[in-house]
Amino acid sequence: EAGVVQSPRYKIIEKKQPVAFWCNPISGHNTLYWYRQNLGQGPELLIRYENEEAVDDSQLPKDRFSAERLKGVDSTLKIQPAELGDSAVYLCASSVGSGSYNEQFFGPGTRLTVL
Amino acid sequence: DQQVKQNSPSLSVQEGRISILNCDYTNSMFDYFLWYKKYPAEGPTFLISISSIKDKNEDGRFTVFLNKSAKHLSLHIVPSQPGDSAVYFCAASSSGNTPLVFGKGTRLSVIA
Repeated sequence: EAGVVQSPRYKIIEKKQPVAFWCNPISGHNTLYWYRQNLGQGPELLIRYENEEAVDDSQLPKDRFSAERLKGVDSTLKIQPAELGDSAVYLCASSVGSGSYNEQFFGPGTRLTVL
Repeated sequence: DQQVKQNSPSLSVQEGRISILNCDYTNSMFDYFLWYKKYPAEGPTFLISISSIKDKNEDGRFTVFLNKSAKHLSLHIVPSQPGDSAVYFCAASSSGNTPLVFGKGTRLSVIA
């Protein structure tokens, strides 16, 4: 079974530039998560999708971050414009259901460096 | 304010010995706790979990202990193997659809 796929794996951009990350979850997983992991910290949830619907985006900085999951499968997370403080690893995860007891499977992440 | 705290950034253990990783939490609403393991350049992978109705859960070499009165949990790895060298994250949630809250992680090094 293929795991969660993310691309690109690494991205270096200058501040004020836009950037987008792509995630393909495990087949059949209805719930998709985007996390941000700053250096030396644990992952922090940015947004959670149930199929196409964003059901928890309270931690998403909506002035510059946006996300979509149009067909309830793949998802894209965008930052526009990027700031120096956005440098982090962006992790995508998926699970069969949304309850806390459903195991979340993580992708390898996209390491973003903003110069 | 950190709701899940892993106060030891790193731990070094000899192969074959026991590794004990600790985690404290402050939110009394947390009732489900998990440990994830992360290798470099990979995403975290689920290791073991425990519900607040239990005080111990065992899976092979891995055992998690929960002390609700102290708001403390620990992960025991016996015997430790070099392949266990990774960063271990403690995470917690409340029942239902609340998001996982992760600690900062503890880097375990198992020395052969």
